[in-house]
Amino acid sequence: KAGVTQTPRYLIKTRGQQVTLSCSPISGHRSVSWYQQTPGQGLQFLFEYFSETQRNKGNFPGRFSGRQFSNSRSEMNVSTLELGDSALYLCASSLRQGESTEAFFGQGTRLTVV
Amino acid sequence: AQSVAQPEDQVNVAEGNPLTVKCTYSVSGNPYLFWYVQYPNRGLQFLLKYITGDNLVKGSYGFEAEFNKSQTSFHLKKPSALVSDSALYFCAVRFAQGGKLIFGQGTELSVKP
Repeated sequence: KAGVTQTPRYLIKTRGQQVTLSCSPISGHRSVSWYQQTPGQGLQFLFEYFSETQRNKGNFPGRFSGRQFSNSRSEMNVSTLELGDSALYLCASSLRQGESTEAFFGQGTRLTVV
Repeated sequence: AQSVAQPEDQVNVAEGNPLTVKCTYSVSGNPYLFWYVQYPNRGLQFLLKYITGDNLVKGSYGFEAEFNKSQTSFHLKKPSALVSDSALYFCAVRFAQGGKLIFGQGTELSVKP
């Protein structure tokens, strides 16, 4: 069974630009979450989608947005990029929503803002 | 506030020795606890979880974790460390309101031959 696939693996963008990251969950998984990982802040929750609806949102500015499609694939978008947005963005999929369900992570997209 | 703490930034162990990576939590209600491992330039790999029941949970690659409710701890253990266990380990807790995982700051495990 294929794991969580994130594309692209690496991105370099300029301040002020926008970027879209893609995540394909494990087949059959309906819940997709996004996390930002930085050396200073560690792993921080961005948002969670289930059945095309945003169920939870972390404490990030409105420049960060996402969506989920009917096939459970998800995208996240960051507009007006800032240097501080440089991070590893991780997508995780779960079979269903629920506190006891483990999440499986993709390898991440390394975003560098210059 | 609900939180997870990993009190050690780094743990150094000799190969063949037992290892422990510590995690404490602060939550209201029943905790759902997880351990993940991250190798360089990779995503997180699920190791094990505690939901309810037996306080000793067995997971992947020979790892296990002990849930202690009175000490609000969920320490990761392995009887005999391997050099290939060297990686970054994260403890996390998940809440009933949804799928949000709260992570500890991570512990760098270094196993020397």
